Amino acid sequence: NAGVTQTPKFRILKIGQSMTLQCTQDMNHNYMYWYRQDPGMGLKLIYYSVGAGITDKGEVPNGYNVSRSTTEDFPLRLELAAPSQTSVYFCASRTDRKLGYTFGSGTRLTVV
Amino acid sequence: GDSVTQMEGPVTLSEEAFLTINCTYTATGYPSLFWYVQYPGEGLQLLLKATKADDKGSNKGFEATYRKETTSFHLEKGSVQVSDSAVYFCALSEGSGGSYIPTFGRGTSLIVHP
Repeated sequence: NAGVTQTPKFRILKIGQSMTLQCTQDMNHNYMYWYRQDPGMGLKLIYYSVGAGITDKGEVPNGYNVSRSTTEDFPLRLELAAPSQTSVYFCASRTDRKLGYTFGSGTRLTVV
Repeated sequence: GDSVTQMEGPVTLSEEAFLTINCTYTATGYPSLFWYVQYPGEGLQLLLKATKADDKGSNKGFEATYRKETTSFHLEKGSVQVSDSAVYFCALSEGSGGSYIPTFGRGTSLIVHP
């Protein structure tokens, strides 16, 4: 049971480039979430999904896009990377709201 | 809306000291409450949880009690170790209203010295 797997672990992007952060879970969780964590700060919700084919914006969606074609996968797309998107990105999933999240190990992204 | 307030850090303690990290919340409905721990360079891990009033969550020597009358969920440990150095996040699930978005506190950094 791998839990939540995020790839890549590290990435450096140039301003204006695009990339996709991958997130896969093998627990058959319906709910999946993307957060960003800036240095010394808490978590900010980017997007979330309550099931395949359903996504919605969180607190800071600008500059990002998501899709959820399967229960397992929830990729996060960055278009036209900007230095403000330098952060650590975490994917998380859960089933029942009483059971808490399972987090991935994160993707550390630097935009230069 | 829902909110979680944690005490400011960093909290600096000597090994074997008693730990309390305060967490208070405001919420509608009947949320579940959680503590997560984040070790340096890692993702968040669920430490403990409580799903209803007066429940006590416990794990790895840490405890927290769901106090509805004081809207609190303070994290405690009787004797901390250097390996407990991490950032601790208090969180609540959405209530029964179906928003699907949990609420996290800002995190409290704990530094334990030998």
